[in-house]
Amino acid sequence: DAKTTQPPSMDCAEGRAANLPCNHSTISGNEYVYWYRQIHSQGPQYIIHGLKNNETNEMASLIITEDRKSSTLILPHATLRDTAVYYCIVKGGAAGNKLTFGGGTRVLVKP
Amino acid sequence: EAGVAQSPRYKIIEKRQSVAFWCNPISGHATLYWYQQILGQGPKLLIQFQNNGVVDDSQLPKDRFSAERLKGVDSTLKIQPAKLEDSAVYLCASSLFGTGTEAFFGQGTRLTVV
Repeated sequence: DAKTTQPPSMDCAEGRAANLPCNHSTISGNEYVYWYRQIHSQGPQYIIHGLKNNETNEMASLIITEDRKSSTLILPHATLRDTAVYYCIVKGGAAGNKLTFGGGTRVLVKP
Repeated sequence: EAGVAQSPRYKIIEKRQSVAFWCNPISGHATLYWYQQILGQGPKLLIQFQNNGVVDDSQLPKDRFSAERLKGVDSTLKIQPAKLEDSAVYLCASSLFGTGTEAFFGQGTRLTVV
């Protein structure tokens, strides 16, 4: 019952920005957009989250559209270590603290 | 700050045997999650605790899976009896209470049922 849609896979070039899209057209006003990634054989790692405003931290930037129906995770300078599965998750609202994963986007950073 | 600790890291059992996994969340984290991740799929939420109470266990196969969180800290997940299709990575995560807080995951326990 994931509430997000992501492309199954994408490639990007090392050193270039990686832009990962996510559609969450049914998001409600009190639900957050979260991004996690999972590198092979590791547990998921938190990247960033936002409610309405764009957010930036040391790992990435999160751009949320004004209508909040979609968002983009930006990795400013992709490295080979950014190769992972990236999950976009909507959390909050009636579901509270429930964290539901979908299929994610498998990102391959190429030299 | 110590992360979420899980043990064991790997476990191989025969079908119909029982197995238990242990999770120690980050200190002070009220919410604890158990996930099952089958190879090639995203993690599937099995059960969510808030302190020592169950918030959501709608996807927990209750005929064979059980979980408890005594005193609202450590948690154990048990499978009895195991089936071949239970082969997966079992992930534990914890977070502070609140929808605007991030969850932190352990390394997981890889279970192989033969």
